[in-house]
Amino acid sequence: DTEVTQTPKHLVMGMTNKKSLKCEQHMGHRAMYWYKQKAKKPPELMFVYSYEKLSINESVPSRFSPECPNSSLLNLHLHALQPEDSALYLCASSQDTRGGGEYNEQFFGPGTRLTVL
Amino acid sequence: AQSVAQPEDQVNVAEGNPLTVKCTYSVSGNPYLFWYVQYPNRGLQFLLKYITGDNLVKGSYGFEAEFNKSQTSFHLKKPSALVSDSALYFCAVRDWGGDKIIFGKGTRLHILP
Repeated sequence: DTEVTQTPKHLVMGMTNKKSLKCEQHMGHRAMYWYKQKAKKPPELMFVYSYEKLSINESVPSRFSPECPNSSLLNLHLHALQPEDSALYLCASSQDTRGGGEYNEQFFGPGTRLTVL
Repeated sequence: AQSVAQPEDQVNVAEGNPLTVKCTYSVSGNPYLFWYVQYPNRGLQFLLKYITGDNLVKGSYGFEAEFNKSQTSFHLKKPSALVSDSALYFCAVRDWGGDKIIFGKGTRLHILP
């Protein structure tokens, strides 16, 4: 299985709602990532988990809360979002980035298209 | 700091002609370079990477990239373009010693039938 899956595909939420995005991979990868992508722009890194521990938080507002329950799952909990948070949210995974693994490519999911009203 | 630059916002090529999408990089240490493609409303797909060794790297869908150390470039190429190659292409470099990759701004490739 060489696939990263993301649910839901589309999400519309109000500014007072609480929702979660889910990402799953079964490739045995130990690094997982959340990106935010605006139209026609490159992905912006939000969070990196390495061995289920948060290793990078790119100064993301606290209304975004990541969670890595196990090595195959990555969640992004959303609360009190703003309209400017509307974007495509991409999950990715890669093999171990430690010990010479810096050259490992990332595998991306299809993304969740989020609209905040 | 590591960075990549894609000087062209858009590249137009007639179907059947060779295509080149340009990328230059700036790194400290060994460059680990990648190309990804993104089709509309989809995630990014890995095309190829340069780690070390041969300067010509072959990847998916008939794409290849030429690593040029003296010009600090890593241009993406294909001998004969297909309409289905029309997409957004990102060059990327691994952030040295870290878990991040740094993306270029992207180049929209438009293959004209």
